[in-house]
This record gives sequence, structure tokens and C-alpha cells, in this order.
Amino acid sequence: DADVTQTPRNRITKTGKRIMLECSQTKGHDRMYWYRQDPGLGLRLIYYSFDVKDINKGEISDGYSVSRQAQAKFSLSLESAIPNQTALYFCATSENTGELFFGEGSRLTVL
Amino acid sequence: GENVEQHPSTLSVQEGDSAVIKCTYSDSASNYFPWYKQELGKRPQLIIDIRSNVGEKKDQRIAVTLNKTAKHFSLHITETQPEDSAVYFCAARDTGRRALTFGSGTRLQVQP
Repeated sequence: DADVTQTPRNRITKTGKRIMLECSQTKGHDRMYWYRQDPGLGLRLIYYSFDVKDINKGEISDGYSVSRQAQAKFSLSLESAIPNQTALYFCATSENTGELFFGEGSRLTVL
Repeated sequence: GENVEQHPSTLSVQEGDSAVIKCTYSDSASNYFPWYKQELGKRPQLIIDIRSNVGEKKDQRIAVTLNKTAKHFSLHITETQPEDSAVYFCAARDTGRRALTFGSGTRLQVQP
């Protein structure tokens, strides 16, 4: 089945370390997104990309960067992780106007 | 940008009762309003959506209503079952960012 795959699924790191979360998809969708989930805050948009040459900031992009290496790959980086970036991170894809398809999530803990 | 508020944050009902979750949005130009269900430890998945050119949509036991004038939309689940227990998120498409802005979620617990 076509899917959205995130790696790693779980990561524990220390303050100040550089972290990369990777996302790949076999759905053939042009649009890819990174969301962050915190209890009581829902899903907040970090960055999104509508094609390989298009990168856009979401509502909480500070402290994060992204790279769209190919249509199927969209990675999220934390250049210098801090404890309040501890969260569950979701990658998602979509076609032009519709449903978001989420990956299984990457749980990041920053000590 | 778009702002979506969702209420209540938690909801407990008896099996067989109805559940209603409400959301308001701020961008009057928003035109797409999906609802996602997230079971414990799982990824969010779309359960129903509505576009701004209709006022109501039903799919078996779930329905969504949209009031564009008041800028609010609601999810209705009838004849609730224990497997309906999950966190539900509403969302609206932000016409500026052209991406979905989510509400803060409602944890629904259906008591057997």
C-alpha cells in the first residue's frame, strides 16, 4: 500500500544536539507537511512544501528548518534542540485540495 | 492566519448517546473543513469533511454541519459505540497559507 513513512519513530537526545526527522512517501503526492502535536494544543503546522522548489513557513517555524530533497522526501531539522521541542511530530502528504495522509509519527524527547 | 477553536476539550457519553463537538474559525474565506480521528497511539485519519458550498454532510452515524455566517462547524456522532473513543480534531483550510489549521482536539470517551 502507498504510505507515508517517518524515521526515526522514537528519539531521545540532549539539549543543543542537531536532529533530523525524515519523511518519505509512496503516494505520489506533491504536497508535504510537518506538524507538531502537543497535548491540549492540537496539531500545529511547522513547514509545508507544495513541490520540490517550494518551501513555506507554518505557524511555528522558529527553531526548525526543512529540506525537500525530492518529490517523495521531506526532512525536518532541529539545528540545536531544546527541551520545549519535545513533542510528537507528524509528516503528512496531500493532493491538491483534499485529505491529509499522516505518517505514524516521530516521538522526540529533548533532555 | 486562520485560528480554529474547538470545544469541549473532553467529552464523556454513555454508549448509544449522541456526541457533538463544535469548532469556530476566523478566516471567512476558508472553504474546506475536515474532521480527523486519532485513536490512542495512532496517526490522525480523516473521517468526514465538508466544503463551503454545502451546509451539511452525513456518512452513516457521523454528520458535519457548517454555518458560514457564524463561522462555525460541528461534528455529530449518533448511537455512539466504545470504538468511537478517540481524540477528534477539526480543521479549516487557511486561504493564506493554503494549509490546514487544526483545533486543539476533543477527547471523546464512550462508556459501555
